[in-house]
Amino acid sequence: DAGVIQSPRHEVTEMGQEVTLRCKPISGHNSLFWYRQTMMRGLELLIYFNNNVPIDDSGMPEDRFSAKMPNASFSTLKIQPSEPRDSAVYFCASSFQGSNTEAFFGQGTRLTVV
Amino acid sequence: TQLLEQSPQFLSIQEGENLTVYCNSSSVFSSLQWYRQEPGEGPVLLVTVVTGGEVKKLKRLTFQFGDARKDSSLHITAAQPGDTGLYLCAGASSGGSNYKLTFGKGTLLTVNP
Repeated sequence: DAGVIQSPRHEVTEMGQEVTLRCKPISGHNSLFWYRQTMMRGLELLIYFNNNVPIDDSGMPEDRFSAKMPNASFSTLKIQPSEPRDSAVYFCASSFQGSNTEAFFGQGTRLTVV
Repeated sequence: TQLLEQSPQFLSIQEGENLTVYCNSSSVFSSLQWYRQEPGEGPVLLVTVVTGGEVKKLKRLTFQFGDARKDSSLHITAAQPGDTGLYLCAGASSGGSNYKLTFGKGTLLTVNP
């Protein structure tokens, strides 16, 4: 398996534009997580899905952020409109459900909003 | 909100030295995981500890889970430049059949040759 695949790796966009980040989890995994990493806040959980259903989105900063998981092999995180303070590295991770199981991370998308 | 506090935030040492980093919380977790992250990459799991008081060893790395399952430590013996990276602890909490991982901010370790 190629692991968790995220695209794009880097994204530079202007303030106000819509940004869509994509994630393909590891085949067979049924939990998917979106995290945001910054120096100030560290690795923050934004939302996670279990069996394609959003379970906890309390970490989503505001209504400008939305996430979908239309099927077991694809998820998106959308920011509309984007703002400079959204600049961060966004990680997607997947795991096979269980409190002791490993989360496998993608390489992240570095987002810069200018 | 469950918070994990890691200390120190930054640590710079010479090759061959020993070090300990800490992960503390006021919450009880069903398990605690340690990850290591290198620049430009996502975190990679090092170990999972489950039982209060549990100690696990991974070569020169020793991980301990506190008796009350609220805190953990990572001890590295004879550190090497290859140990350089961001060390993150993550607490697993479950609700019914679902669970989530909450991360600390990490300890950035630099081992100088």
